Amino acid sequence: AQKVTQAQTEISVVEKEDVTLDCVYETRDTTYYLFWYKQPPSGELVFLIRRNSFDEQNEISGRYSWNFQKSTSSFNFTITASQVVDSAVYFCALSDSIVAGGSEKLVFGKGTKLTVNP
Amino acid sequence: KAGVTQTPRYLIKTRGQQVTLSCSPISGHRSVSWYQQTPGQGLQFLFEYFSETQRNKGNFPGRFSGRQFSNSRSEMNVSTLELGDSALYLCASSLEGQNTEAFFGQGTRLTVV
Repeated sequence: AQKVTQAQTEISVVEKEDVTLDCVYETRDTTYYLFWYKQPPSGELVFLIRRNSFDEQNEISGRYSWNFQKSTSSFNFTITASQVVDSAVYFCALSDSIVAGGSEKLVFGKGTKLTVNP
Repeated sequence: KAGVTQTPRYLIKTRGQQVTLSCSPISGHRSVSWYQQTPGQGLQFLFEYFSETQRNKGNFPGRFSGRQFSNSRSEMNVSTLELGDSALYLCASSLEGQNTEAFFGQGTRLTVV
């Protein structure tokens, strides 16, 4: 069965510090997608990134970067020069195998609460 | 483009009652999924509807049910409410399914007393 582990329950940093959120996953599928979502206090989950299992290239988007390492089943998320507005709960998620026209549920980690202090 | 709309935002119900939550997906999206979020269990998948058909279901008792209408709007129903059903219920819409980008609503906060 799929499983996502976010070992860091809470992280607190000071503004402008870099911070890395860890995500380790388990799956027996060879084809899968990994996601990161941000949940601000308002409640909705905001999509950040999707990465398929065949694409191990790291990705950078502004201050955000993601490091996908299949060998260690990890998909870590780094925020560079953190800001107070980055304070939120961040979720890593895994979907199961891709089935054409089928349905794949997301399996979420327990989330990491990030607090960025001014 | 309007986002995913969930109504109501907050709800208080008594044990034993039933409740219906509503989700209006983004225009053009045919897939609607529901998730339950609690402090103890985190985010758990309830079910997914696509073109009015339930395509996938999580491990929840039969008291949890849903449906999707021809306009892709979805409702979920919980009957015989229990205290443990208190949670944030999130709806997500996507074009084709969960492997595409899913957009979430702000959720319905259900409190069972």
